[in-house]
Amino acid sequence: DVKVTQSSRYLVKRTGEKVFLECVQDMDHENMFWYRQDPGLGLRLIYFSYDVKMKEKGDIPEGYSVSREKKERFSLILESASTNQTSMYLCASRASVHYNEQFFGPGTRLTVL
Amino acid sequence: GQSLEQPSEVTAVEGAIVQINCTYQTSGFYGLSWYQQHDGGAPTFLSYNGLDGLEETGRFSSFLSRSDSYGYLLLQELQMKDSASYFCAVRERSSASKIIFGSGTRLSIRP
Repeated sequence: DVKVTQSSRYLVKRTGEKVFLECVQDMDHENMFWYRQDPGLGLRLIYFSYDVKMKEKGDIPEGYSVSREKKERFSLILESASTNQTSMYLCASRASVHYNEQFFGPGTRLTVL
Repeated sequence: GQSLEQPSEVTAVEGAIVQINCTYQTSGFYGLSWYQQHDGGAPTFLSYNGLDGLEETGRFSSFLSRSDSYGYLLLQELQMKDSASYFCAVRERSSASKIIFGSGTRLSIRP
């Protein structure tokens, strides 16, 4: 079974802090994604990576950056956290661009005070 | 760009049948997928329609009509455990082939 893990289930940070969210997958998938989920808005794509060191902006990249130095790990960085970044963050992986199924991690509930 | 529209909430009775619709506006996509998410859980893949028509997987079926820009998820013999949010999603027809999700439908089931 594919396993996608995220570094924290719950995280509380202060405005202006630099925040790192880590995601690891164990199935040698090429593609990895970061979404945020807010009530009534569904899953909105922040960034994705279709290969190591490759990244592409999603629909809401402002205020975020990403890093993918190794195939199994995809990090989401909030350079200076703001209260409007309080949300559920979901990481997902996919075998390659030719596949439809994504596998999601359990999510990180981030609260920015 | 892409946009997918779903009803925000649907309520049904245990044992009944319910249909969750998804209409979309997209410049090109490979197919329509459905995901289920229980409260506090991660979304999990349910089905995929690459071609027009009906795909059946047990109690769940999914349908796609590209000419109508429309699809639906059909859940039969509803069980209380089917109470969850359901998301439709498309895989873009592009080099990166990213996946775009609808806003989700919360399904509540009454005994």
